[in-house]
Amino acid sequence: GEDVEQSLFLSVREGDSSVINCTYTDSSSTYLYWYKQEPGAGLQLLTYIFSNMDMKQDQRLTVLLNKKDKHLSLRIADTQTGDSAIYFCAERGRSGNTGKLIFGQGTTLQVKP
Amino acid sequence: NAGVTQTPKFRVLKTGQSMTLLCAQDMNHEYMYWYRQDPGMGLRLIHYSVGEGTTAKGEVPDGYNVSRLKKQNFLLGLESAAPSQTSVYFCASSYSQAGGSNQPQHFGDGTRLSIL
Repeated sequence: GEDVEQSLFLSVREGDSSVINCTYTDSSSTYLYWYKQEPGAGLQLLTYIFSNMDMKQDQRLTVLLNKKDKHLSLRIADTQTGDSAIYFCAERGRSGNTGKLIFGQGTTLQVKP
Repeated sequence: NAGVTQTPKFRVLKTGQSMTLLCAQDMNHEYMYWYRQDPGMGLRLIHYSVGEGTTAKGEVPDGYNVSRLKKQNFLLGLESAAPSQTSVYFCASSYSQAGGSNQPQHFGDGTRLSIL
């Protein structure tokens, strides 16, 4: 079945770049998403990429997509303490017209001052 | 600009009790979803709805029921709560995916449910 995998934890120093990785199995994915969850809150959409793109940049965020390897990454430049959160990768799988998403386990990003 | 509102925010139940979680969205979204979030497991889809009066099973539907009597509301029911249902529950909504367009899901802030 469809599956999305992420490493569970990443620790970086303030000012460094963070790279969060994600792999997925569904080769027919159309859209892939990155969501951010701060403590006690819901998920906030950060960015997304369409499957015919290799890269998307949005201010400090860069998304890279390698369709051949089914690998997605999120790079956060100049990481700040406010970036500390859980980051979820999600793919819109082979689900027809339902909009269903398959989520990874989430990567906890810890930013040390 | 409320977006997706979940009530209640916190609840403690005893095993065997029943309750209903309410999700309301004011964005005129067609699609609505209920997820549960457990440590190290990400979000798992319980049930979802693609329109008023329709519901469908997700990945982990057992022990839950849902209803979508009005477009803006999606209710999640636990008929006989079990400790395994202790979790954080999230509701989400989106526009329909007509034409394959990207319509991201918008999330509520969650309901933290403990079953003793």
